[in-house]
Amino acid sequence: NAGVTQTPKFQVLKTGQSMTLQCAQDMNHEYMSWYRQDPGMGLRLIHYSVGAGITDQGEVPNGYNVSRSTTEDFPLRLLSAAPSQTSVYFCASSRDRSLRANVLTFGAGSRLTVL
Amino acid sequence: AQSVTQLDSQVPVFEEAPVELRCNYSSSVSVYLFWYVQYPNQGLQLLLKYLSGSTLVESINGFEAEFNKSQTSFHLRKPSVHISDTAEYFCAVSDGGGFKTIFGAGTRLFVKA
Repeated sequence: NAGVTQTPKFQVLKTGQSMTLQCAQDMNHEYMSWYRQDPGMGLRLIHYSVGAGITDQGEVPNGYNVSRSTTEDFPLRLLSAAPSQTSVYFCASSRDRSLRANVLTFGAGSRLTVL
Repeated sequence: AQSVTQLDSQVPVFEEAPVELRCNYSSSVSVYLFWYVQYPNQGLQLLLKYLSGSTLVESINGFEAEFNKSQTSFHLRKPSVHISDTAEYFCAVSDGGGFKTIFGAGTRLFVKA
């Protein structure tokens, strides 16, 4: 089992460029989410999805778009990158759509630098 | 709204000494509490969790945490740390019916020889 796979691991963008961070899981998990990790701020939830075709906003959704066309994939799109989006991004998934007893499985992270 | 406060950003400690990493939360509903660990250049992994029942929960590598509802705390402890415990530790809370897990800012544990 590959678990949660994120690509790319590293990316450098110029301000205004667009890109997509990919996230795929092979565990048939219903729930998927994206977090960003910044020094001293922990992890902040960007967007999440409780199943194919269903997405919702987290704590810091501005500047990011998501879609969930399949159970396996949950890409995160930056339409016009800004230096404030320099961060490490983590995708996480969970078996259950509700987090009542949720344990998140994390990917290895994608480090994004916006110049 | 839920929130999580980790009271120490960094905790240096000598090998074989005891350690406590503090976590307080706020929530208006019943919660589930977690500690995750992040080793350098890796994603987060679950260390332990409190869902219900006994307020003292343990991990397989010697950590334990106690849920204290009156003090809204979930502090993480280990009686004797190893160099390999050096990592960043995150306290997290998930409410009973929602879809969000909220993380604290993290505590960096440095274990020195």
